[in-house]
Amino acid sequence: EAQVTQNPRYLITVTGKKLTVTCSQNMNHEYMSWYRQDPGLGLRQIYYSMNVEVTDKGDVPEGYKVSRKEKRNFPLILESPSPNQTSLYFCASRTNTGELFFGEGSRLTVL
Amino acid sequence: EDQVTQSPEALRLQEGESSSLNCSYTVSGLRGLFWYRQDPGKGPEFLFTLYSAGEEKEKERLKATLTKKESFLHITAPKPEDSATYLCAVQASGTASKLTFGTGTRLQVTL
Repeated sequence: EAQVTQNPRYLITVTGKKLTVTCSQNMNHEYMSWYRQDPGLGLRQIYYSMNVEVTDKGDVPEGYKVSRKEKRNFPLILESPSPNQTSLYFCASRTNTGELFFGEGSRLTVL
Repeated sequence: EDQVTQSPEALRLQEGESSSLNCSYTVSGLRGLFWYRQDPGKGPEFLFTLYSAGEEKEKERLKATLTKKESFLHITAPKPEDSATYLCAVQASGTASKLTFGTGTRLQVTL
């Protein structure tokens, strides 16, 4: 089954404690991206990757890092989380025709 | 700057009561307009891609149409299982990486 898998699905952490949200896709897609979804603001792109070792900033990259060492994996790293990073995060991969496949989401709370 | 505005924010319909959701956009050349459905607690799920004015696509009770300034998602004789948030997104020409999302229309279909 074609899918994008994110972990953890839910996480409560404290300010400054580094965390990583993993993302893996099994569709051999070259393009992957991370979004955050906040009420009233919609989905906003954090980072994207066009292929292995190729990453770039989206609209709201501050406070986040990513890496793309393998085609299937695209982890999102919060080096020093802050309360304004409390959000619902989605990883997605994309087909050649532009269709995005999203993961189930990771709900992060930073206290 | 690319912009997407969806209306209404929320819509409540009775089963069988047809209606339309609107997505107005401004973009410097449209590469594609996308519709997604999002159920509570889940990632968005792809519905349609439209590429040029006049194009229409259908899937079950849903029909998406596109003009040069807006797109409509027509829902014919909706059922309770059509209840979800519907998201619209645009991709500008010359942009391989970025989708701009609207904030969505939350649809509730009651018996």
